[in-house]
Amino acid sequence: KAGVTQTPRYLIKTRGQQVTLSCSPISGHRSVSWYQQTPGQGLQFLFEYFSETQRNKGNFPGRFSGRQFSNSRSEMNVSTLELGDSALYLCASSLIQGSHLKYEQYFGPGTRLTVT
Amino acid sequence: QQQVKQSPQSLIVQKGGISIINCAYENTAFDYFPWYQQFPGKGPALLIAIRPDVSEKKEGRFTISFNKSAKQFSLHIMDSQPGDSATYFCAASPPGTYKYIFGTGTRLKVLA
Repeated sequence: KAGVTQTPRYLIKTRGQQVTLSCSPISGHRSVSWYQQTPGQGLQFLFEYFSETQRNKGNFPGRFSGRQFSNSRSEMNVSTLELGDSALYLCASSLIQGSHLKYEQYFGPGTRLTVT
Repeated sequence: QQQVKQSPQSLIVQKGGISIINCAYENTAFDYFPWYQQFPGKGPALLIAIRPDVSEKKEGRFTISFNKSAKQFSLHIMDSQPGDSATYFCAASPPGTYKYIFGTGTRLKVLA
């Protein structure tokens, strides 16, 4: 089974621009979460989607948004980029079968975003 | 209350030794505790995970010990190998959510 894939792997943007990152979960996985990883703040939760609905959201400004499609693929958008948005953006997928039980999250390789 | 404190920040172990990484939390309602291994340039890879109704879980050379009353959990890597050299993260999940709160990471180096 293929793992979580993220595109693009590397991205360089200029301050003020906007960016869209893409994530394809493991086949059959319906939950997709996004995390930001930086040397200073570590791994921080951005948001989680299931069946095209955002269920959980982290403490990030409204410039960070996301969506999930009917095939469970997800995109994350950051508008009006700031230098501090430079980070590794990680997507993780999980098998959710509608119960309250939690399942393992499997991470993709990430998209390295550099804002200049 | 939503923090997970991880220690040590870095660890050097001889080949064949035991690596021990500790995490502590305050929110007693956390209900899922995974550990991840991350190599440079890669995403975190799930190692092992435990739920709070279990005190210990072992998978190969990796063991999680969980102490609910002390609000602590730890990762033990038995017979540590140079290939285990990586950064390790603990995490905890608040109830009613599917998000993880991660520890700050431990950089492990296993000497040959």
